[in-house]
Amino acid sequence: GESVGLHLPTLSVQEGDNSIINCAYSNSASDYFIWYKQESGKGPQFIIDIRSNMDKRQGQRVTVLLNKTVKHLSLQIAATQPGDSAVYFCAEKSRGTGFQKLVFGTGTRLLVSP
Amino acid sequence: NAGVTQTPKFQVLKTGQSMTLQCAQDMNHEYMSWYRQDPGMGLRLIHYSVGAGITDQGEVPNGYNVSRSTTEDFPLRLLSAAPSQTSVYFCASSSAEVYNSPLHFGNGTRLTVT
Repeated sequence: GESVGLHLPTLSVQEGDNSIINCAYSNSASDYFIWYKQESGKGPQFIIDIRSNMDKRQGQRVTVLLNKTVKHLSLQIAATQPGDSAVYFCAEKSRGTGFQKLVFGTGTRLLVSP
Repeated sequence: NAGVTQTPKFQVLKTGQSMTLQCAQDMNHEYMSWYRQDPGMGLRLIHYSVGAGITDQGEVPNGYNVSRSTTEDFPLRLLSAAPSQTSVYFCASSSAEVYNSPLHFGNGTRLTVT
């Protein structure tokens, strides 16, 4: 079936570095993508989203890039801080479905060393 | 504003026991969903609801029942617990009024079935 997956299970960076977390998806009907951050013992928290008619969107210290040609999504975190340490998930929504049916990737753990 | 509240936070069951995981949201969201999260896997959709009185199955519905008698509450019932249901369960909600409204998650219920 359709799936959303990640290339790297763990990413270790130094404080102040820029981090890039990648995600591959296989559903050609995906029209909306979301990145979530999950800290230990908590539920996923919305970070940033992007529609399929865009290829880049920026937030505060975060940027999401979408390459529909190769079905690839990335999350860039600028000046990574220890508080950014968490597991990051990408999720996609298919065209014609709602947010009650998101498909999630397996997650990447980001470890930030001071 | 509490957001999405899940109870209990932790639960241990014996095989064959039944229980209900509670989920309540105070944001007047129409959409509510239940996901389970297992190690090495992304969140998988169990059941979802697009409004009071309306529920539907997700990717992994077997062994679970839901009902949506009010907008606020969306309980998940395990009819006869099995060790394969050991997982962390997340409830989420979103608004149907705003296009591309991201999911808001609770902090999860960690269930162990022995």
